[in-house]
Amino acid sequence: EPEVTQTPSHQVTQMGQEVILRCVPISNHLYFYWYRQILGQKVEFLVSFYNNEISEKSEIFDDQFSVERPDGSNFTLKIRSTKLEDSAMYFCASSTGTSNEQFFGPGTRLTVL
Amino acid sequence: GENVEQHPSTLSVQEGDSAVIKCTYSDSASNYFPWYKQELGKRPQLIIDIRSNVGEKKDQRIAVTLNKTAKHFSLHITETQPEDSAVYFCAASRYGTSYGKLTFGQGTILTVHP
Repeated sequence: EPEVTQTPSHQVTQMGQEVILRCVPISNHLYFYWYRQILGQKVEFLVSFYNNEISEKSEIFDDQFSVERPDGSNFTLKIRSTKLEDSAMYFCASSTGTSNEQFFGPGTRLTVL
Repeated sequence: GENVEQHPSTLSVQEGDSAVIKCTYSDSASNYFPWYKQELGKRPQLIIDIRSNVGEKKDQRIAVTLNKTAKHFSLHITETQPEDSAVYFCAASRYGTSYGKLTFGQGTILTVHP
């Protein structure tokens, strides 16, 4: 069964550094999402992406964040200047659009020191 | 925006008992309500979902009920097994109008004791 994949599984970075988290959604899916989960807390929506543009973003998704689909398979989340409070598990998800079922990737644990 | 409240935050049951987790939502336009199971360090996995045109849905030992008037929905797990132990999240979204953004509840840590 096809799955969403994410790399790296764990990223450690220094405060102020840029990080890029990578995702490969399921191949026939059209809608892509990033969520984050701070340790012990609920999953929070960051951004949705459709037809090569952002369709919706949350208050968390400020100017430090950006998303891109650089080719036909990858979907990336960039954090330009990381802060301590960006430490969290970041999940990518995708859906077909005809069904609202979202399939989640395994996550990238980001640790900002 | 949508707000989803989930209770209880922790639930401990004996193997074979039933478990019920409840969620309320605030946006009457929400029309899709999935439940996700998340094991420690793993991705959220969809276990069951329900749309607003249906009041109840069942899949083996798992069922979900929806009360649109009261804006609440519940997950019912019967004949619980130790492998049901995990964190369960409810979520709500407006399918078809807002690209499916999921708003999650706070999660319920379910522990099933053998």
